[in-house]
Amino acid sequence: GESVGLHLPTLSVQEGDNSIINCAYSNSASDYFIWYKQESGKGPQFIIDIRSNMDKRQGQRVTVLLNKTVKHLSLQIAATQPGDSAVYFCAENQGGNNRKLIWGLGTSLAVNP
Amino acid sequence: EAQVTQNPRYLITVTGKKLTVTCSQNMNHEYMSWYRQDPGLGLRQIYYSMNVEVTDKGDVPEGYKVSRKEKRNFPLILESPSPNQTSLYFCASKTGATNEKLFFGSGTQLSVL
Repeated sequence: GESVGLHLPTLSVQEGDNSIINCAYSNSASDYFIWYKQESGKGPQFIIDIRSNMDKRQGQRVTVLLNKTVKHLSLQIAATQPGDSAVYFCAENQGGNNRKLIWGLGTSLAVNP
Repeated sequence: EAQVTQNPRYLITVTGKKLTVTCSQNMNHEYMSWYRQDPGLGLRQIYYSMNVEVTDKGDVPEGYKVSRKEKRNFPLILESPSPNQTSLYFCASKTGATNEKLFFGSGTQLSVL
């Protein structure tokens, strides 16, 4: 079936380095993608989103890249800080009236001081 | 402060004892949803509501009930909890079905013995 997946379950980076979290999706009809951050003991928090008519979108220290040719999504975090340590989820929109999000399993990002 | 509030934060109960997890949002959102989060399975939608008095099943509705009598509240009811419902539960809301950005509560950790 259609699914959203992640290449790496865990990622460890040095403070100050850039982080790249990858996500593969299989539904070529998906038109919306979103990244969430979940810190320990908290609910998922919106980071950034992108629609399929774009290939790049930038936020504060974060950039999302969308490659529809290979059905790949990535989240880039510049100058990673200890506060960025969390689990990151990508999700794609399944469409329909519900506009339900299909969630990936998450990547754990650990930032080493 | 705009937020989604869930209660209780932690709950331990026994098999068969009815329980309710409350969810309230103060953002006047039309759409509300319940998810459960389990290791290795990610976020799975239990039920959702597109507006008052309108509820629909998500991916894993068995063993759960919901109601939407008021716009701000969306309680999750377990009539006869079983150990396989031990999980981390999240309530979420957004402005409408066509808007994508979900706001999540802090979660309810439920253990059914």
